[in-house]
Amino acid sequence: DQQVKQNSPSLSVQEGRISILNCDYTNSMFDYFLWYKKYPAEGPTFLISISSIKDKNEDGRFTVFLNKSAKHLSLHIVPSQPGDSAVYFCAARTYTPLVFGKGTRLSVIA
Amino acid sequence: ETGVTQTPRHLVMGMTNKKSLKCEQHLGHNAMYWYKQSAKKPLELMFVYNFKEQTENNSVPSRFSPECPNSSHLFLHLHTLQPEDSALYLCASSQDDIPGQPQHFGDGTRLSIL
Repeated sequence: DQQVKQNSPSLSVQEGRISILNCDYTNSMFDYFLWYKKYPAEGPTFLISISSIKDKNEDGRFTVFLNKSAKHLSLHIVPSQPGDSAVYFCAARTYTPLVFGKGTRLSVIA
Repeated sequence: ETGVTQTPRHLVMGMTNKKSLKCEQHLGHNAMYWYKQSAKKPLELMFVYNFKEQTENNSVPSRFSPECPNSSHLFLHLHTLQPEDSALYLCASSQDDIPGQPQHFGDGTRLSIL
């Protein structure tokens, strides 16, 4: 049973608009959440993280929101740029190994 | 450049061959990991090494044998693999194996078993 779920396999967004990628988790013990970005033929690159003691973390164009009661987190990218086109993975952990979602493919259309 | 280098990038081998995947990190990290990514599946953790000691073996078949001679190098020795072992194998490292420290990945080895 998947503990981290990314229910949208793909998302298309116009350049300059906001991209919102969603992630749901089932394990209430998770206390650290990360987003990774992956381009073809490259490994995942760490993007941004959030601890369960926060509900928002911002880094430039990227903001992660955490809703613990809903066991939901989201990644907002604004404004979206063509170079943001990639697969985005959500991941979560406690003092257990990192658990990844299946990823969402974001396409930013110029 | 992530600071984690994996070789080879691609590997094709028969089921009776023996080969090794290599990972080297230049980040001064203490923890290293092997992951497997199969098509349409999430990344699956295989092994964790912390300060050269194996701390996690995620029920991986014995045909995969990890080796960590020091904190900077990690190997995955392969022997008598099966076609279902064809996948992308990713190495990662982090300062320590605790929450709050992101893992940094190499670009992976694409393995094909004939």
